[in-house]
Amino acid sequence: AQSVTQLGSHVSVSEGALVLLRCNYSSSVPPYLFWYVQYPNQGLQLLLKYTSAATLVKGINGFEAEFKKSETSFHLTKPSAHMSDAAEYFCAVSPYTGTASKLTFGTGTRLQVTL
Amino acid sequence: NAGVTQTPKFQVLKTGQSMTLQCAQDMNHNSMYWYRQDPGMGLRLIYYSASEGTTDKGEVPNGYNVSRLNKREFSLRLESAAPSQTSVYFCASTRVWDRDGYTFGSGTRLTVV
Repeated sequence: AQSVTQLGSHVSVSEGALVLLRCNYSSSVPPYLFWYVQYPNQGLQLLLKYTSAATLVKGINGFEAEFKKSETSFHLTKPSAHMSDAAEYFCAVSPYTGTASKLTFGTGTRLQVTL
Repeated sequence: NAGVTQTPKFQVLKTGQSMTLQCAQDMNHNSMYWYRQDPGMGLRLIYYSASEGTTDKGEVPNGYNVSRLNKREFSLRLESAAPSQTSVYFCASTRVWDRDGYTFGSGTRLTVV
């Protein structure tokens, strides 16, 4: 079984400040890890994914995440926040089984960006 | 370039009524999923279909049924709606394996009164 814990349901940063959204996972097999973003009244969009290649993964809109096996973490960062980054962010894990399995999502972190 | 299309976008039901949420994808994806999203709980898997002709229960299947009508379409049915089923429902699809990531529809906001 796999699970995801996102620390902090709400994070507030100033425009131009570093964004750090935390995600820790639990998986009995090597995982695939994902970050999704959800803007108000929209579906989820894939930001980036880790699928056992490079441990530092770059995504869209300047976001990146680093897979750290020893810490079972996959934190999302962006050097400089923009107002348009305000949204809800979900971390998700899927075990690598070679066949279609299921994504397990965290409970989400709402990012607020202030002037 | 539609991706995943869900209908309807909004629906209000009375307790005990039934309805079907429709989902269609035009990306030739094999696997399709239904999730519900509730505040503070993230997304929880209701049912999924790994490939055409197969369906399986997810984490919260009670009160729901699904039909994989063909490769493109995957519907979710509420036979007798309850207030606890008030939620936002998302359909998603992926090519074969989850390493591709899911493509999500824009959601159906359902209120049961």
